[in-house]
Amino acid sequence: QGQLVESGGGMVQPGESLKLSCAASDFTFRTSGMHWVRQAPGKGLEWVAFIAHDGINKYYGDSVRGRFTISRDNFNNTLYVQMNSLRAEDSAVYYCVKDLGYGGHWYFDLWGRGSLVTVSS
Amino acid sequence: DIQLTQSPSFLSASVGDRVTITCRASQDINIYLAWYQQKPGKAPRLLIYAAYRLQSGVPSRFSGSGSGTEFTLTITSLQPEDFATYYCQELSNYHPTFGGGTKVEIK
Repeated sequence: QGQLVESGGGMVQPGESLKLSCAASDFTFRTSGMHWVRQAPGKGLEWVAFIAHDGINKYYGDSVRGRFTISRDNFNNTLYVQMNSLRAEDSAVYYCVKDLGYGGHWYFDLWGRGSLVTVSS
Repeated sequence: DIQLTQSPSFLSASVGDRVTITCRASQDINIYLAWYQQKPGKAPRLLIYAAYRLQSGVPSRFSGSGSGTEFTLTITSLQPEDFATYYCQELSNYHPTFGGGTKVEIK
């Protein structure tokens, strides 16, 4: 079934940077597209970014494009997101999510437990 | 961007009830829609993808239907463990979006 474990969250001030990691296990990470999805406290879900299995194609949500960078290390089965110029509205639980791999259509079939990021002065 | 509108946003039901949640898309999205269940403090769980396909391990009391702009998630006989928030999700143009959620609570 697989497991995803996020780390690296915490509290930072506006304008600062943070890098989240996600350790993947018990599935073939190197053949899986991966996403980050976030959820602000008490709010709904927002897709953040996607990276293809080989790390070549990347896509970003409008609210993070130009500030966040998704990357992966297929040798160490780890997904990352580098978050720069953080804003208060970036405060959320960030989920590492595996793509189902269904005909190129993005469905989210395995989720980590999440990592809380708080941006506050 | 495509907007997804779920209704109702809140639903009160009893164990054994049949429950239907609707998700309407602002544009035709074919069958490219999924449903997720989220319990408090937990990550979402994929229930249905491609409008009607049941994800492995999900009980058969969950079903999805619809195409184009209108979709439904049905729970045929609500169980205690089904009280949760449900989200729909579309996946067009490499910019997936979620509906606002439907919270199902115990009557």
